[in-house]
Formats: sequence, C-alpha cells, structure tokens
Amino acid sequence: AQKVTQAQTEISVVEKEDVTLDCVYETRDTTYYLFWYKQPPSGELVFLIRRNSFDEQNEISGRYSWNFQKSTSSFNFTITASQVVDSAVYFCALSEAGTGGSYIPTFGRGTSLIVHP
Amino acid sequence: DAGVIQSPRHEVTEMGQEVTLRCKPISGHDYLFWYRQTMMRGLELLIYFNNNVPIDDSGMPEDRFSAKMPNASFSTLKIQPSEPRDSAVYFCASSLVSSYNEQFFGPGTRLTVL
Repeated sequence: AQKVTQAQTEISVVEKEDVTLDCVYETRDTTYYLFWYKQPPSGELVFLIRRNSFDEQNEISGRYSWNFQKSTSSFNFTITASQVVDSAVYFCALSEAGTGGSYIPTFGRGTSLIVHP
Repeated sequence: DAGVIQSPRHEVTEMGQEVTLRCKPISGHDYLFWYRQTMMRGLELLIYFNNNVPIDDSGMPEDRFSAKMPNASFSTLKIQPSEPRDSAVYFCASSLVSSYNEQFFGPGTRLTVL
C-alpha cells in the first residue's frame, strides 16, 4: 500500500515570505517516483517536478526548491519570496509499481497556499 | 500544441440521467487517466488506459461508471444512472511513453447532479 500525507491543509503567508509545503510518503518499494503538481484557481493541475527514488539530489528552479530525504520519507517543497500568483493548491504524489508494472500515482490531499499582497 | 481537451466543462443534470464526459489526450501520449476530485475524498484515480486498453479500473466506484477508449485520440467516462453523490470535478490526464512520466491534465468537467 502507498500513502502520501500532506499534513498542512492550508497555509497563509504574506507576499515575499518563504514557505515550505511538507510531504511525507510511505512505500515498501525501492523504486518509486515522487511528484509535485500545482492546481491554480483555474482548476487544471500543472506538473512541477518528478523525482525517482534513486536521486536524492535537491532541485532548485527559480524560486522553487525541493528537498528529498529518503531517511525521513519526505519530499518537501519550498517557495522563496512567495508571490500572489503562487496561490494555489499543491499536491504531492507517489508512484510505485502497480498492475502490469505500471507506476500509478497516489495523490496527497493537497495543501492550499494563500499568498496575501 | 493543444493540451488535453475535455468536454463539457460544466454539466448539470438530474438524478437518474445518463452523463457522458469526453476527453481528447495529447497526440502521441499512450497513457490516459480518469480522476475524480471532491472535497471529501480528494483526487482519486478511477481508471487508466495504456494504448487504448483499460489496465486498472479498480478505482471505478460502482457499475454505474464505465469508461471506453475506442481510439488513441478519444475516451469517454459514462455514468448511468447518475446520482447526487457523483457530483465532482472529473479530470482526464495523459502521459507519454510511461506511466511514471509527468501527467498532463485537462481543465476538468464540473459535474453537478441534482
């Protein structure tokens, strides 16, 4: 069984603050994939990043950064100098081998980020 | 390049009616997924296809739900008969080559069953 926990239901910050969204996962597999998606108010989920279980290097993309730690089964997402446009629901997802060897994602419940001007 | 296309964007129907949701995946993508999103249950995978073949439909809630993919460019999700508890946003997503690749989501269909 797989499980993704996003304990923060909602986070509210003021513009320019840094914010970290937590994601903790559970899996027994050694090969798995982790994702972050953004769902803005328009509703469409947008892919942000994918990490495989063998790559623990942290990733930085502009104001976004991701910290993957297998020792704590966490894949946290940090937004530096947040902006109003960052307001969205952010989903963490885990994929491990399923039927026929396909990797099927399970999504966390999401964290709603509200950035106030 | 067009993304995943879903229609209709909004659907309001009465309990007992048949509802058909449509999806056109990104050309060349060989995986197609149907999800349902509700406040209570979050984002749930209903069914997915690989090369037009249904692989896992264990997420389909009841026999009232059915999905087809007659060709690589079209899929439908049908609910018959619909019930108020089916009210949700239904997303279609597609991915390229492998299911562990990033998924591209459509804009969703907001279904309201009265």
